[in-house]
Amino acid sequence: DPKIIQKPKYLVAVTGSEKILICEQYLGHNAMYWYRQSAKKPLEFMFSYSYQKLMDNQTASSRFQPQSSKKNHLDLQITALKPDDSATYFCASSQDTGGQWDTQYFGPGTRLLVL
Amino acid sequence: QQNVQQSPESLIVPEGARTSLNCTFSDSASQYFWWYRQHSGKAPKALMSIFSNGEKEEGRFTIHLNKASLHFSLHIRDSQPSDSALYLCAVFAGNKLTFGIGTRVLVRP
Repeated sequence: DPKIIQKPKYLVAVTGSEKILICEQYLGHNAMYWYRQSAKKPLEFMFSYSYQKLMDNQTASSRFQPQSSKKNHLDLQITALKPDDSATYFCASSQDTGGQWDTQYFGPGTRLLVL
Repeated sequence: QQNVQQSPESLIVPEGARTSLNCTFSDSASQYFWWYRQHSGKAPKALMSIFSNGEKEEGRFTIHLNKASLHFSLHIRDSQPSDSALYLCAVFAGNKLTFGIGTRVLVRP
């Protein structure tokens, strides 16, 4: 059974619209993250949460808003979508937010295409 | 701002050969060093990590870390076609992981 669920798998949106990417983890982890991966760019850290509190935000734009309704949920709301937002968005989780043993486990990703 | 660079960009190796991948980083305060593997269309998956200078071996995989040189590497012995993937190095510092752009490895049977 998948331990980290991301929905939807694929998403096509029009410029200017708003979408929510869903992430749930069933690993019992306390920390969750969002990353973005687009062509010719490294996997890019966006946010980290620990016990439902924002720990780090490396996203310059306020158009990206994480939402944590439960400890094992971390959704990502994106408003005013732009074609440059097209990427695969990965959710990840780890037991805690530091330490050499804190392996980050990644979900399968949501591939977003903005037209 | 952490800068993580990987080389080479891509690599083709024959089955059974040794694969060597390199990663350099810029922040000397970096604490932990990871290699992830990402098969096409799949999620990145952690392979192994190291935090102190030297070498660590797990099965066919070996990591070397030299903090003074701001460099670590991954070596795969007896490379298999199933090892064909994008290999990402990552450095943990300031409570976050910073990834390199990756090295694409193709192992030819």
